[in-house]
Amino acid sequence: DGGITQSPKYLFRKEGQNVTLSCEQNLNHDAMYWYRQDPGQGLRLIYYSQIVNDFQKGDIAEGYSVSREKKESFPLTVTSAQKNPTAFYLCASSDDGQGAGGYTFGSGTRLTVV
Amino acid sequence: EDKVVQSPLSLVVHEGDTVTLNCSYEVTNFRSLLWYKQEKKAPTFLFMLTSSGIEKKSGRLSSILDKKELSSILNITATQTGDSAIYLCAVASNTGKLIFGQGTTLQVKP
Repeated sequence: DGGITQSPKYLFRKEGQNVTLSCEQNLNHDAMYWYRQDPGQGLRLIYYSQIVNDFQKGDIAEGYSVSREKKESFPLTVTSAQKNPTAFYLCASSDDGQGAGGYTFGSGTRLTVV
Repeated sequence: EDKVVQSPLSLVVHEGDTVTLNCSYEVTNFRSLLWYKQEKKAPTFLFMLTSSGIEKKSGRLSSILDKKELSSILNITATQTGDSAIYLCAVASNTGKLIFGQGTTLQVKP
């Protein structure tokens, strides 16, 4: 079955550590996205990529980094510069890169700072 | 700056009530507006709207887009406890961005 796989489901980070969240899709989608969700709130865009080897900052990119070396993979690194990283992170992909309907979401990674 | 605003932010109703959720947007190069339902993890797709004035319907849920007013509404009739969720509105632009509103948290009491 085609879909998006995010791992791990739960992640604990110590203060000052960098951690990387994985997002893999086998849908052959060009565009991929990372969102952050805080409790009871909507999704805020961190980074997005419309094509391999290219990505753009979203609204809250500070303290995060991404890479897009392969079409199917879009990992997100939460760096120590992100002061409040505890949140739910969702990865998504889209099938035409122009942002129309057809978005598919992963099941998310819940990151907690300990 | 592109933005999507939803109202109300939270709502408590009783089973059988009808609710209307609002979404307004200011997005450059608008392409489509999408509604999602989120219960625990990944949002579940409800509707995609691209044309003004055409109602989309699925069971007790319906939605319509007004491009002149830059807004959309989501109606849920005869609400059930299973409708309790966060409802998310998102706008897709031709630049490739998908921007979400803050969400409306709906609680339906028995």
